Amino acid sequence: QSVLTQPPSASGTPGQRVTISCSGSNSNIGSNAVNWYQQLPGTAPKLLIYSNNERPSGVPDRFSGSKSGTSASLAISGLQSEDEADYYCASWDDSLNGWVFGGGTKLTVL
Amino acid sequence: QVQLVESGGGVVQPGTSLRLSCAASGFKFSSYGMHWVRQAPGKGLEWVAVTSYDGSNENYADSVKGRFTVSRDNSKNTLFLRMNSLRAEDTAVYYCAKDGLGIKYYFDYWGQGTLVTVSS
Repeated sequence: QSVLTQPPSASGTPGQRVTISCSGSNSNIGSNAVNWYQQLPGTAPKLLIYSNNERPSGVPDRFSGSKSGTSASLAISGLQSEDEADYYCASWDDSLNGWVFGGGTKLTVL
Repeated sequence: QVQLVESGGGVVQPGTSLRLSCAASGFKFSSYGMHWVRQAPGKGLEWVAVTSYDGSNENYADSVKGRFTVSRDNSKNTLFLRMNSLRAEDTAVYYCAKDGLGIKYYFDYWGQGTLVTVSS
């Protein structure tokens, strides 16, 4: 059971907009920033969004993040087949004194 | 460019020990916190441990506290994870990851991972 809660799966058709939610508590998302990672099949994770809504260089602006209270979300607009991957949210937890991840969301492009 | 290369994985028996290494290049290693994150087969990501830029501060996940030790050699740009009393549930791909600054920012670069299998 992960400390952060994500839906196990999401799907959309090419060109659609999809969102993935991440729910936590006051000790993690409520007090600290949220980061999102993309893991393509058979590869290492890659930083997608940091500090709630910032994109590293090279990440398309189709990807965006937001946070409100103890929840966060990742939005992907103009869905493409290459976006098919697992997506994880993560945040520092002040009570655990460590990082916590969501269980991951498998995105399928139909 | 930033490169992180893990090594030291393999098949070991329960109760034994193993040391993983992560060779870093392409950035000033001694200025950044470094993490270990693992992923059991078919499962999600689990943060394992972090060491601060100078090795003076360490934090561990409860699942490994007292069994695993993270360390670093800044003169050799290398991160280590000493794993003792290994259990079947420690079976996973272990990734090293660079922090964006200290230890609480984000994991901006990841290695390719090294597989540890604990089995009798």
